[in-house]
Amino acid sequence: KAGVTQTPRYLIKTRGQQVTLSCSPISGHRSVSWYQQTPGQGLQFLFEYFSETQRNKGNFPGRFSGRQFSNSRSEMNVSTLELGDSALYLCASRTGDANTGELFFGEGSRLTVL
Amino acid sequence: AQSVTQLGSHVSVSEGALVLLRCNYSSSVPPYLFWYVQYPNQGLQLLLKYTSAATLVKGINGFEAEFKKSETSFHLTKPSAHMSDAAEYFCAVRTAGNTPLVFGKGTRLSVIA
Repeated sequence: KAGVTQTPRYLIKTRGQQVTLSCSPISGHRSVSWYQQTPGQGLQFLFEYFSETQRNKGNFPGRFSGRQFSNSRSEMNVSTLELGDSALYLCASRTGDANTGELFFGEGSRLTVL
Repeated sequence: AQSVTQLGSHVSVSEGALVLLRCNYSSSVPPYLFWYVQYPNQGLQLLLKYTSAATLVKGINGFEAEFKKSETSFHLTKPSAHMSDAAEYFCAVRTAGNTPLVFGKGTRLSVIA
């Protein structure tokens, strides 16, 4: 069974540009979550989607947005990039119980903003 | 709101020594607790989880954790460290309902030969 796939793995952008990151969950998983990982802040929750609906949203500015498609694939977009947006963006999918179901993580998309 | 505190951003142990990584949680309701491991340039992998069954939870690679409600702790242990255990470890908590998994800031484990 294929794991969570994130593309691209690495990308470099300049301030003011926008970026779109893609995530394909494990087959059969309908919940997709996104996290931002930085050395200083650890993993911070961005948002979670379930069956194309945003179920939870973290404390990030409106420049960060996401969506989920009918095949459960998800994208997140960051507009007007800032230097502080440089981070590893992790996607995770889940099935089963909403409380105890584990998250399965992709390897992440490493974004560098210059 | 729930939160997790991991004591020690970096822990160093000798090969063969006991590994102890500390995690304390804050939650107003019974929590669900997880430990994840992250190897360099990889995503996170589940080590073990506590879901209100047995308080001592055994995970992969010889790790285990004990849920102590009175101490609001969920420390991760391994009797004998191996070089391959060097990685970053994250404790996470989720309370009941469709709430997101909240992570601690992580503890980097170094294993010295």
